Amino acid sequence: DAGVTQSPTHLIKTRGQQVTLRCSPISGHKSVSWYQQVLGQGPQFIFQYYEKEERGRGNFPDRFSARQFPNYSSELNVNALLLGDSALYLCASSPRGGEAFFGQGTRLTVV
Amino acid sequence: AQSVTQPDIHITVSEGASLELRCNYSYGATPYLFWYVQSPGQGLQLLLKYFSGDTLVQGIKGFEAEFKRSQSSFNLRKPSVHWSDAAEYFCAVGVFYNQGGKLIFGQGTELSVKP
Repeated sequence: DAGVTQSPTHLIKTRGQQVTLRCSPISGHKSVSWYQQVLGQGPQFIFQYYEKEERGRGNFPDRFSARQFPNYSSELNVNALLLGDSALYLCASSPRGGEAFFGQGTRLTVV
Repeated sequence: AQSVTQPDIHITVSEGASLELRCNYSYGATPYLFWYVQSPGQGLQLLLKYFSGDTLVQGIKGFEAEFKRSQSSFNLRKPSVHWSDAAEYFCAVGVFYNQGGKLIFGQGTELSVKP
């Protein structure tokens, strides 16, 4: 079975631009979560979605938004990019919002 | 507030030696605890988890962890380290609610293995 897949794997953006990151969960998993991992730190929770509804939100500005589609895939959008948004963005899926299985991440560099 | 502390930022051990990585948590109720491993530039792989029951849990790759409520700890151990164990290790506490939840991670411990 395929694990959690994220795309793209790497991308470079300029300050002020917008970016969309994509995630496909493990088949049968209805919950998707997003985490930001800045270099040298542990992942920080951004959002969690279950059955297309937002179930949790971390302490991130409104520039960050997400959504979940009927097939349970998800997108994370970040507007007005700042240098500090450079990080590894991790998507995790779970059956109901418990134990999480992570994808390989998207490395975002803002220049 | 919930939090996780990993006191050791970097640990170096010799191949074949034993390993213990420390993790302390702060959580008001019975915690759900996890250890993940991350190779450079990669995602997180679940090593083991504690939800309830036996306080000594076994995981993949020969790792085990012991939950000690009195010490608010969930230390990771391995009796004999292999060079391939070199990676970053993260302890996390799960905060779960109806159809929702999140993981709160520690800062991580980087493990280096000497030949």
